[in-house]
Amino acid sequence: AQSVTQLDSQVPVFEEAPVELRCNYSSSVSVYLFWYVQYPNQGLQLLLKYLSGSTLVKGINGFEAEFNKSQTSFHLRKPSVHISDTAEYFCAVSAPSGGSYIPTFGRGTSLIVHP
Amino acid sequence: GAGVSQSPSNKVTEKGKDVELRCDPISGHTALYWYRQSLGQGLEFLIYFQGNSAPDKSGLPSDRFSAERTGGSVSTLTIQRTQQEDSAVYLCASSFNRVETGELFFGEGSRLTVL
Repeated sequence: AQSVTQLDSQVPVFEEAPVELRCNYSSSVSVYLFWYVQYPNQGLQLLLKYLSGSTLVKGINGFEAEFNKSQTSFHLRKPSVHISDTAEYFCAVSAPSGGSYIPTFGRGTSLIVHP
Repeated sequence: GAGVSQSPSNKVTEKGKDVELRCDPISGHTALYWYRQSLGQGLEFLIYFQGNSAPDKSGLPSDRFSAERTGGSVSTLTIQRTQQEDSAVYLCASSFNRVETGELFFGEGSRLTVL
């Protein structure tokens, strides 16, 4: 079984400051990792994903994440945030289980960007 | 439409009534997922359909919950004898083939309130 822990339920930050949203996972097999963003009153959309290869992955809107196998982490970062980045961010892990790949999501981190 | 469509967007019902939530996935997507999003709880997996295979119902919380997918396309999630704890946003997502190589595309959700 796989699980995801998002260590911060809420992260307040000022506009143009850097931000890191933390995600740790557990799985007994190789995993695929995802970050999704949910803007108010909208569905989730993919920010970025790690499937294989380079451990640093870049996504939309200037976000990036680094896969660290030894620390079982996949933290999301952005060097300079905007007001429009205010949203809920979900980390997800997917690993084979009984022939299926059903993503497990974390509880989400609410990023609040202040002017 | 181009995206995943869910209806109704909002549903208020009385305890003990049955409700049906509908999901129309993106054309050509063979995989369809239902998740439940409760405040502060993240996304809870409910059920997964993949092509003509038997669905993975391992996430359904009780036998009051059921889902079907007709013709490999539209899906209906049914909750019988609703309880107040069923109040949540029910999210549907679809994807191509296997999730390990792609992303989930989410609808905007159906918000269920049980009085």
